[in-house]
Amino acid sequence: EDQVTQSPEALRLQEGESSSLNCSYTVSGLRGLFWYRQDPGKGPEFLFTLYSAGEEKEKERLKATLTKKESFLHITAPKPEDSATYLCAVMSNTGNQFYFGTGTSLTVIP
Amino acid sequence: EAQVTQNPRYLITVTGKKLTVTCSQNMNHEYMSWYRQDPGLGLRQIYYSMNVEVTDKGDVPEGYKVSRKEKRNFPLILESPSPNQTSLYFCASSSKRTGVRHYGYTFGSGTRLTVV
Repeated sequence: EDQVTQSPEALRLQEGESSSLNCSYTVSGLRGLFWYRQDPGKGPEFLFTLYSAGEEKEKERLKATLTKKESFLHITAPKPEDSATYLCAVMSNTGNQFYFGTGTSLTVIP
Repeated sequence: EAQVTQNPRYLITVTGKKLTVTCSQNMNHEYMSWYRQDPGLGLRQIYYSMNVEVTDKGDVPEGYKVSRKEKRNFPLILESPSPNQTSLYFCASSSKRTGVRHYGYTFGSGTRLTVV
């Protein structure tokens, strides 16, 4: 069964303190791995799609990487406005469904 | 502005009273989907649609209905709502897949439903 596990559940960082969020997945053939950002009371906002192991994508202070079993979202020198819940999702080759993890709640303290 | 619009944003209803949550997108996307989000359970797919008149069940379809008569609209229907359907609901859309690739979703702002 396709499955996505995110860790940690919650992360508190000082402003400027770099860290990484983890997304481990089990899927029968990966069609795509997706990262989203969700602010309280709002819909998730698309960040990146990764399709194959070794692929990397960057956007401002965020960098997403992908291996055959997991993806990392690296946050470099975070700012308070990076505080949000970060969601990971996968789509397999055998179906048309997305499977989301439960997210990592990131708080960046000034 | 490219967007997915859901209505209403908030809804309180009573058990058994039929309701419809509307979803409309202005991006000419083929792919649309409904999710519910519950604390500790994350986002779970209810139904999705690959194109007009093509719909399929997600992980938690029980108690819900959908229709896709037009490309831009994908309403979610609760024929007889129950308290366990109290949740935050999101509609999402995406452009057509190319080969094996799939593009990211654009999500609506959400509908917070309370069934008493």
